[in-house]
Amino acid sequence: QQQVKQSPQSLIVQKGGISIINCAYENTAFDYFPWYQQFPGKGPALLIAIRPDVSEKKEGRFTISFNKSAKQFSLHIMDSQPGDSATYFCAASIGDSSYKLIFGSGTRLLVRP
Amino acid sequence: DADVTQTPRNRITKTGKRIMLECSQTKGHDRMYWYRQDPGLGLRLIYYSFDVKDINKGEISDGYSVSRQAQAKFSLSLESAIPNQTALYFCATSDVTGGLETQYFGPGTRLLVL
Repeated sequence: QQQVKQSPQSLIVQKGGISIINCAYENTAFDYFPWYQQFPGKGPALLIAIRPDVSEKKEGRFTISFNKSAKQFSLHIMDSQPGDSATYFCAASIGDSSYKLIFGSGTRLLVRP
Repeated sequence: DADVTQTPRNRITKTGKRIMLECSQTKGHDRMYWYRQDPGLGLRLIYYSFDVKDINKGEISDGYSVSRQAQAKFSLSLESAIPNQTALYFCATSDVTGGLETQYFGPGTRLLVL
């Protein structure tokens, strides 16, 4: 059972454009929503994360938007650069002692020069 | 991340063989995880360990076993490898700061089962 649904599967954006990746979740007990970035040949690395007590979090060109009522959250990459080309995973977990992450299926982003 | 190392980085094996994937970390974290990554399926949790004496099954533990030899070492074994275990395997550690957890992944082991 996929508890976190991620779309699109792949995305091509021109340099300077906005990249948007969406995720939807089912379990209303989730209260921690990180995004991980993975470059080819590397392990994923934490990019940005949000808790549902805020609707938006921004770190540089990366912004998470969170809609609790719709059970959706998204990653926006402003002024996308070729160096942003990577696979992005959304994830969710219940912030209790377990801290088990449920990952989305991933989005492969290509930013063209 | 050099703080989490995995060996081997690539492995080809045959159906029915037993293999072990090893993970070491220098971060001093108690929590360690094993994931597998398949195209279109993201990362799925195989096993996790919160300390040397605490090992738990994840989402897809069938066909796998683990050993936590020390705080710094967490090994994943395939007792009798089968072709559908061909995947990219990641080890990770985690810590919690300010109520927010960060997982730190190793570079991965690419496994091919023929």
